[in-house]
Amino acid sequence: AQSVTQPDIHITVSEGASLELRCNYSYGATPYLFWYVQSPGQGLQLLLKYFSGDTLVQGIKGFEAEFKRSQSSFNLRKPSVHWSDAAEYFCAVFMDSSYKLIFGSGTRLLVRP
Amino acid sequence: GAGVSQSPSNKVTEKGKDVELRCDPISGHTALYWYRQSLGQGLEFLIYFQGNSAPDKSGLPSDRFSAERTGGSVSTLTIQRTQQEDSAVYLCASSLAPGNTIYFGEGSWLTVV
Repeated sequence: AQSVTQPDIHITVSEGASLELRCNYSYGATPYLFWYVQSPGQGLQLLLKYFSGDTLVQGIKGFEAEFKRSQSSFNLRKPSVHWSDAAEYFCAVFMDSSYKLIFGSGTRLLVRP
Repeated sequence: GAGVSQSPSNKVTEKGKDVELRCDPISGHTALYWYRQSLGQGLEFLIYFQGNSAPDKSGLPSDRFSAERTGGSVSTLTIQRTQQEDSAVYLCASSLAPGNTIYFGEGSWLTVV
């Protein structure tokens, strides 16, 4: 069955430190992959997406993600975290067979001053 | 409009009452989705509309849930005889076409007391 796994429920980093949020997917075809961010009380904002082509994609707010087919992963990275990055991050895969967007369970990022 | 618009933003209702949640997608977007996010949980797919095609209702949790989309634009999600476990944020999303980027509204927070 198609699924998205975010193995880290919570991650805490210090402001200015680098960040990597893990995402693994299970999908037979070429995936369309997304990362969304949700701040408290807010809706979901698209950070970046991968459809095809270059496997390293750049997004907003200084985030990037790398698609690795061999590892079925699409990890999100940021070289230097800001306090305003504290939020919940969701990885998602779009299934072109059913047009559904399937989400992982999310990773909550806490930023230490 | 500029983004996906949802109303009401907050709704408190008594157990057993019916509620209607409205979604106004981005103008011109043919695909519309409803998701549910329970407290501390990920996003659960509910229903998908694409143009004039029959909707994919495979995610609706019970027959108390229904949704319609009139004129290929505005959608209403109806929950009949609400239960406390229906308390959640209901998120609407739209995309220009299947496979395009999916944009989310800010959600309708439903509390059943």
